[in-house]
Amino acid sequence: DAKTTQPTSMDCAEGRAANLPCNHSTISGNEYVYWYRQIHSQGPQYIIHGLKNNETNEMASLIITEDRKSSTLILPHATLRDTAVYYCIVRGTGTASKLTFGTGTRLQVTL
Amino acid sequence: EPEVTQTPSHQVTQMGQEVILRCVPISNHLYFYWYRQILGQKVEFLVSFYNNEISEKSEIFDDQFSVERPDGSNFTLKIRSTKLEDSAMYFCASSVGTRETQYFGPGTRLLVL
Repeated sequence: DAKTTQPTSMDCAEGRAANLPCNHSTISGNEYVYWYRQIHSQGPQYIIHGLKNNETNEMASLIITEDRKSSTLILPHATLRDTAVYYCIVRGTGTASKLTFGTGTRLQVTL
Repeated sequence: EPEVTQTPSHQVTQMGQEVILRCVPISNHLYFYWYRQILGQKVEFLVSFYNNEISEKSEIFDDQFSVERPDGSNFTLKIRSTKLEDSAMYFCASSVGTRETQYFGPGTRLLVL
C-alpha cells in the first residue's frame, strides 16, 4: 500500500471549514484513499473514501487531485465534536486487505 | 444503524494468563479483522479472517494469538499467555467484502499486570 504524509496537527475555529491535506504520491491506479478519524481512544470511525472522483457524504467531502497524488478532506462546518486524529489511508484491493494507519493529523477545533 | 460491538470494554489480567476478547461483527459482513493500539502509538493490523480461515496476519500475530468464529455471530481473539507488552486497546472490525469499508468496534482495553 502507498505511504501517506499528513501534517502532525491543525487547528480550526468552530463553524469554519476544516481542510485536512494528505499526500500519497506513490498511489497506484487501483488503490483507494480512505479517511478515518479517532476520537480519544475510541475505535476508528469511517468518514469517506474515493478512487479518483470527488466524493461527498453527510460527514465530509473528499477532494482528490487529478494526478491522484494528494487529497483533501473537508469538514464543512467543524464543531468541537470533530476534535480528533484524522487518518488518511491508501488501501489496496487484495484479498481481505488490511488498513495501515499512520500517525494522522490531530485536529483541534476551538471556540 | 448496525454496529460492531466488543466485550468486555476493559480487561485486567495477570501476566501469563489467557484472555479472550469478543466481537460481534455487523451481521451481513463476511470479513473480520483485529487491530491493536498500544497507548500513544499507531493502530496496528493483527489479523484478517474470512471463510473460517486466516487471510493475512502481521508479525505481531505470533503463536500466542489465535482467532476463531465459534458460532454465527461471535469473532474472538485469544491470547494464550499474556505478556506485559500485550497491554493495549484491541479493536475488532468487519466488512462486507474484501474491497469494502471496514467498520470498527469501540475496542477492549487490555491491561496486563
